[in-house]
Formats: sequence, C-alpha cells, structure tokens
Amino acid sequence: QKEVEQDPGPLSVPEGAIVSLNCTYSNSAFQYFMWYRQYSRKGPELLMYTYSSGNKEDGRFTAQVDKSSKYISLFIRDSQPSDSATYLCAKSTAGNKLTFGGGTRVLVKP
Amino acid sequence: KAGVTQTPRYLIKTRGQQVTLSCSPISGHRSVSWYQQTPGQGLQFLFEYFSETQRNKGNFPGRFSGRQFSNSRSEMNVSTLELGDSALYLCASSSRGTSGGNNEQFFGPGTRLTVL
Repeated sequence: QKEVEQDPGPLSVPEGAIVSLNCTYSNSAFQYFMWYRQYSRKGPELLMYTYSSGNKEDGRFTAQVDKSSKYISLFIRDSQPSDSATYLCAKSTAGNKLTFGGGTRVLVKP
Repeated sequence: KAGVTQTPRYLIKTRGQQVTLSCSPISGHRSVSWYQQTPGQGLQFLFEYFSETQRNKGNFPGRFSGRQFSNSRSEMNVSTLELGDSALYLCASSSRGTSGGNNEQFFGPGTRLTVL
C-alpha cells in the first residue's frame, strides 16, 4: 500500500461546478499536508498548506484534513477552465521530505 | 521575490553519460530538495540539503548524488545514465530549518532529462 493514495481521474466537471478531490494516507506520525497544482510540463505550484485537522480556506480553495480517518480533501468552488490541471496531495514527515499521491487530473469544461 | 530557478530546462543525453543539474532556491531559503517525476512512479523524493549537508535521502541508487554550496545553490548529479532516468527533475526550496518553522516547499519549473 502506498503512503498516499489518490484517484488518478480524470475528473471532468462543467465550468462553475465544485471540484472535490480526495487523498487517503497511512502512517499517523505528526505531519503537514499540502495540495499542489501542476500544469502540463510545469513544476508543481503550492495551493494549500495545513497541519491541523479541520478546514482551511483560501479564496476559491478549501482544504480539509480528517486525521482520525486519515483523509485529506480539496474543494475548488466556481471552477474555471484555467483550473484544468493535475492536483497533487502530499504529506511531510521527516524534515522536508514530501510523499506525494499519484495526482488527479481535472478537466473543467467551458 | 524571484522563485526557484533550475538550469538547464531541457537536456538530452545518451546512456552511460553523466549529467549535472542546477537549482537556485528562493532568496533566504536554506533547504533544497530534489524530486524525480515520471509518468509511472509519479513524484519521488531524491534527497534534501540544508546548510551544505544532506539531511534526508530517498530510495535511489548511488548514481544519484547532490551537493549544496554556501550560497544555498544546489547541484544534482546522475552518473552512468540509464534509459529509465528519463524524467522531469524538480527542485524545491523551503525556509524550514532544524529549529522548526514553516516547511512550505516551493518548486522550480524542472529540468526535463531525456536519455537516449
């Protein structure tokens, strides 16, 4: 079993819909969680960063962490075609080592 | 603030050759990590350097090595290249040090290495 599991998609939604992305993780050591967005042939871009259970909101993005269930979620409200990308969840344990999920490809159709 | 920069952006090598990739972190960041991204394995951690010392290492063979300079710039070297080393090599910088702090990591655009 991989440390961080993520549905590869693709997840296709109409413009304006809410995009819901999920990750599950194993290994319960204290850790940070991050969501990255990656466009084709670009480096990952940090979207959200959190280390506690609960919700964290930033503009159209909401990150949710449920440590009891080992579940991480990202919600994108009012999705736009420019949100079409691969979304990667990651957790950080030792130092700055990040363990990534495989990524979910999202397509927002105009 | 300028972001993480990586050079070169694209590289083509043949099997058996060696290659050196360079990364300049965000100004003030002292931690640099390297990752390999392939379609099959996704993003995998190679190693992390902080204050010129390797702090963490992933599960890659000894052909993969790195170093960090006193100005925090880092280089990664791959010797005796294999076809399977074709990948996007990403570098990330962080301000987090040994005394804790924010460990948000910011990635560069990557170096795309093709091994023929």
